[in-house]
Amino acid sequence: DVKVTQSSRYLVKRTGEKVFLECVQDMDHENMFWYRQDPGLGLRLIYFSYDVKMKEKGDIPEGYSVSREKKERFSLILESASTNQTSMYLCASIGGSNTEAFFGQGTRLTVV
Amino acid sequence: GQSLEQPSEVTAVEGAIVQINCTYQTSGFYGLSWYQQHDGGAPTFLSYNALDGLEETGRFSSFLSRSDSYGYLLLQELQMKDSASYFCAARYSSASKIIFGSGTRLSIRP
Repeated sequence: DVKVTQSSRYLVKRTGEKVFLECVQDMDHENMFWYRQDPGLGLRLIYFSYDVKMKEKGDIPEGYSVSREKKERFSLILESASTNQTSMYLCASIGGSNTEAFFGQGTRLTVV
Repeated sequence: GQSLEQPSEVTAVEGAIVQINCTYQTSGFYGLSWYQQHDGGAPTFLSYNALDGLEETGRFSSFLSRSDSYGYLLLQELQMKDSASYFCAARYSSASKIIFGSGTRLSIRP
């Protein structure tokens, strides 16, 4: 079974904290993505990566950074968490020539 | 930028047919996918169109018209379990970037 695993299902952090969300895939996929999902707004792309150490900004990168040191792992970093970053965060991966993206189960982050 | 438009809600009757439309921006467009998401779950892949025409997978079909920057998902013989949110997603920039629409919530009545 193909798998994308996110490190936490639920997370509560304080305003100003540095937050790390981890995502690991076991399919040897080149491309990995971080989205946030909010009601009525769909999935909005934060960052994506098409290779190790390579990253591209998505539509809403402000307040976030990413790291991809190994092919299977893509980390999302909130440098200084704010309440407007309370959301569901979804990680996904897809192979270069594939058509199907696989998603993790999501991390529901609450910033208080 | 690249954005996709789809209706926010659709209601249909069990056993009927429903079509969910999606329009996208063409710059760098590579292909159009559809995903289903049940409440509390992760999105799961339904179909992908890179070329014009209809792709059929069981009760679900997906259509693409590149000249019209338009696609749709067709669900036939609706079942109550099809109640979910449906997202169109466009691949851009040599297939590395995937942008999702805001989703269509499908409600099915008995």
